[in-house]
Amino acid sequence: GAVVSQHPSRVICKSGTSVKIECRSLDFQATTMFWYRQFPKQSLMLMATSNEGSKATYEQGVEKDKFLINHASLTLSTLTVTSAHPEDSSFYICSARAQGNEQFFGPGTRLTVL
Amino acid sequence: AQSVTQPDIHITVSEGASLELRCNYSYGATPYLFWYVQSPGQGLQLLLKYFSGDTLVQGIKGFEAEFKRSQSSFNLRKPSVHWSDAAEYFCAVALGGSYIPTFGRGTSLIVHP
Repeated sequence: GAVVSQHPSRVICKSGTSVKIECRSLDFQATTMFWYRQFPKQSLMLMATSNEGSKATYEQGVEKDKFLINHASLTLSTLTVTSAHPEDSSFYICSARAQGNEQFFGPGTRLTVL
Repeated sequence: AQSVTQPDIHITVSEGASLELRCNYSYGATPYLFWYVQSPGQGLQLLLKYFSGDTLVQGIKGFEAEFKRSQSSFNLRKPSVHWSDAAEYFCAVALGGSYIPTFGRGTSLIVHP
């Protein structure tokens, strides 16, 4: 089956620093990748959609300068949380889609900003 | 705008008992419908999906779901729950064409021995 990995699985950083999260499709080429944010005991909220080689499309209310998304290849997308603050602490999940309709989800990254 | 409602925040069942998790959607046309499961600290795994055709959909791990157009519902069922089924379950809907799901808030399943 299609596998999506995320790295790191957990990260703790100081307020004001930037954190990069990687999302990789391991056994397929992902034309589209998605980034979600999940608060404790809540649902997933779509942050942005990215297509390889083009700028990401951000959902309303998501700061594009805060959450930088790069989708440089068909197997890798990165999310950089810039100048992180405690309110950015959350569970970030990526998903990837090939030419079909199904999204395959990564295991998530737990970000804690002190 | 499309929306999906999971009215139950928590459901507690005994191991071996049957299970039904409720999901209702609000959308003018029939959307694509999904059920996902999330174990603690993990990503999401697709249990089953409905795009068209037979309204009773079979999924993995013994789960099934039935699409009822008249009730705008897509409830998830399992005849006999195992302790390993304890997890968070998300219903999701997607517009045709985009296939980008909008998720419900989730239902936490607790299984008693």
